[in-house]
Amino acid sequence: DTAVSQTPKYLVTQMGNDKSIKCEQNLGHDTMYWYKQDSKKFLKIMFSYNNKELIINETVPNRFSPKSPDKAHLNLHINSLELGDSAVYFCASSQGSAGSEKLFFGSGTQLSVL
Amino acid sequence: QKEVEQNSGPLSVPEGAIASLNCTYSDRGSQSFFWYRQYSGKSPELIMFIYSNGDKEDGRFTAQLNKASQYVSLLIRDSQPSDSATYLCAVSLGNEKLTFGTGTRLTIIP
Repeated sequence: DTAVSQTPKYLVTQMGNDKSIKCEQNLGHDTMYWYKQDSKKFLKIMFSYNNKELIINETVPNRFSPKSPDKAHLNLHINSLELGDSAVYFCASSQGSAGSEKLFFGSGTQLSVL
Repeated sequence: QKEVEQNSGPLSVPEGAIASLNCTYSDRGSQSFFWYRQYSGKSPELIMFIYSNGDKEDGRFTAQLNKASQYVSLLIRDSQPSDSATYLCAVSLGNEKLTFGTGTRLTIIP
């Protein structure tokens, strides 16, 4: 059973389109995250939710909108995709805060904007 | 100045030798320090964490923390080809925000 699963694994789309990435965790964790990893492997937090409540919202364009219907799911919707949005997006979860607990990552979604 | 800095490498180490990976951080209030390993095309996985000054050993891995000098390092003894990966240093003030370095790419040469 996959602990943190995200879909799709690959997403190729045109500039200006809207797309969504879904994430689910079956670990019973309270906190979920979205991270963006660029081509230089720099992993940067975008959002953090604790039990469906937004905790961290880094300086991310408002074209990115996370949604957490329940504490096991955290989806990411991106409007008006731009070339610079091309990256690998990782969903992650932890029992407590990322600062003191192990992060469990999903397998990543490779987003390519053409 | 970046919050968490690592030498991007690549760092090449002969099989069986000790690989030494270094990381410096800028915020003196940092409390928690992590090392994640990421194989090419895969997601990061936690291999070590350390909270207190000094050394922490787990098998072939040793994490070293020096808060006065604001650096944390990872030593890998008896390096194996399977250790070839990118190693990400991550630092936290103890809250939900974990700040990652850009990673060091390690190659173990058979």
